[in-house]
Amino acid sequence: GENVEQHPSTLSVQEGDSAVIKCTYSDSASNYFPWYKQELGKRPQLIIDIRSNVGEKKDQRIAVTLNKTAKHFSLHITETQPEDSAVYFCAASKDYKLSFGAGTTVTVRA
Amino acid sequence: DAMVIQNPRYQVTQFGKPVTLSCSQTLNHNVMYWYQQKSSQAPKLLFHYYDKDFNNEADTPDNFQSRRPNTSFCFLDIRSPGLGDAAMYLCATSSWGDEQYFGPGTRLTVT
Repeated sequence: GENVEQHPSTLSVQEGDSAVIKCTYSDSASNYFPWYKQELGKRPQLIIDIRSNVGEKKDQRIAVTLNKTAKHFSLHITETQPEDSAVYFCAASKDYKLSFGAGTTVTVRA
Repeated sequence: DAMVIQNPRYQVTQFGKPVTLSCSQTLNHNVMYWYQQKSSQAPKLLFHYYDKDFNNEADTPDNFQSRRPNTSFCFLDIRSPGLGDAAMYLCATSSWGDEQYFGPGTRLTVT
């Protein structure tokens, strides 16, 4: 099955700095790559996604890049704010199923 | 406007006492999923329905069962809960495997 690795597991950044989270996947047939943000006690919420026919996508302060050849994708958050503090999960989708990375706990220091 | 609803939000059950969690959706999505999420871990897929077709993950214990009587509703039955089954249970839906919409979850406590 699909194996998704996510790094780092924890990330502490100063408010206003950028945060980068990286994921790799194993199955070249995976074709959809969402990123979820989960605050404590709440549901995972989709923040951005990218499909295998696109290399980069941006939505305000958030961007995702995908390198299909290398089988890795990354989340970039610019101008971080305290409300960006949460756990972020990457995922790879194949055959209607998501395989999640282990998660990154992001802490934005004021 | 709730799109994926889970009831109850909190459930306490006794060791070995069967429990049923429910999920309903207003999105008319054809795929419904059940995930188990323990603290500080990623959601773990238990099973999913593609329309009426049930798909079980290989490592989902037999203690977990599911029913989908119609498009809108899906149930998770835990036949004999153990202490290790205490977790957040998340229901999600998608249209043809696209973006998954998660419900708010049911926090299960086993005493």
